[in-house]
Amino acid sequence: EVQLVESGGGLVQPGGSLRLSCAASGFTFSSYTMNWVRQAPGKGLEWVSSISATTSYIYYADSVKGRFTISRDNAKNSLYLQMNSLRAEDTALYYCARASIGDCFNYWGQGTLVTVSS
Amino acid sequence: DIQMTQSPSTLSASVGDRVTITCRASQSISSWLAWYRQKPGKAPNLLIYKASTLESGVPSRLSGSGSGTEFTLTINSLQPDDFANYYCQQYNSSPFTFGPGTTVDIK
Repeated sequence: EVQLVESGGGLVQPGGSLRLSCAASGFTFSSYTMNWVRQAPGKGLEWVSSISATTSYIYYADSVKGRFTISRDNAKNSLYLQMNSLRAEDTALYYCARASIGDCFNYWGQGTLVTVSS
Repeated sequence: DIQMTQSPSTLSASVGDRVTITCRASQSISSWLAWYRQKPGKAPNLLIYKASTLESGVPSRLSGSGSGTEFTLTINSLQPDDFANYYCQQYNSSPFTFGPGTTVDIK
C-alpha cells in the first residue's frame, strides 16, 4: 500500500524557516516524480514544486521561487521542502503527492500544517 | 503561465441528477488535464487523467472529455459520495496549475 506521511509543519514567525519532510513507502520511491501541493485554509489547491526521480528536473511555482527548495533522498525514501523567508501567505496545509503518468498526482499524504504568524 | 478557470463555482443538485463541470485553459494543453475530488478535511483524490482516462477504482458514472482549452467532467446519477469539491489541473507545462474549484452541494 502506498503511503505518504508528511511532517515538520508548525507555527513560525514571518521571515522564519521550516523544513518539511515526506516519508514514502509501499512503492519504488526512486522511480517517481514527487511534488508538494498546498492549500490555504478554506481555499483551493496550489501546486508548489516538483522534483523528478533522479532530480534531473526541478520546478517551482513563482510564488515560492527563490525561497523554497525541494529535494529528495532516494536512499531514505524521503522528500523534503526547505522553506525560507516565510510569509503570512505561505500559511497552508502542505501535501506531499506522487506523480502518476505525467505530472498529475495519484497519491497524496494527509498534509502538514504550516502557520506563519507573529 | 497557463491559467485555469472552472464553471460553475457552485452547483446545487440532487441524488440521481446528471451534472457537468467545465474547465478552461488559457492556452492549449492538449489532453494534459486531470480532475480531482476533495472532501472536507481530506486529501484530494485523482479521478481522471489525460482528460478522459478514469483512474483505477473510480466509478464509470464519472467521465471526462475535451482537448485543447475546454474540458468537462460529467457525473451521471449523482450519489451521496459525490457531494464534494472538484478541481481540474493542467500538467502540460510548469507551473502545474489547478482551477479554482467547483463545489457540488445538495439542493
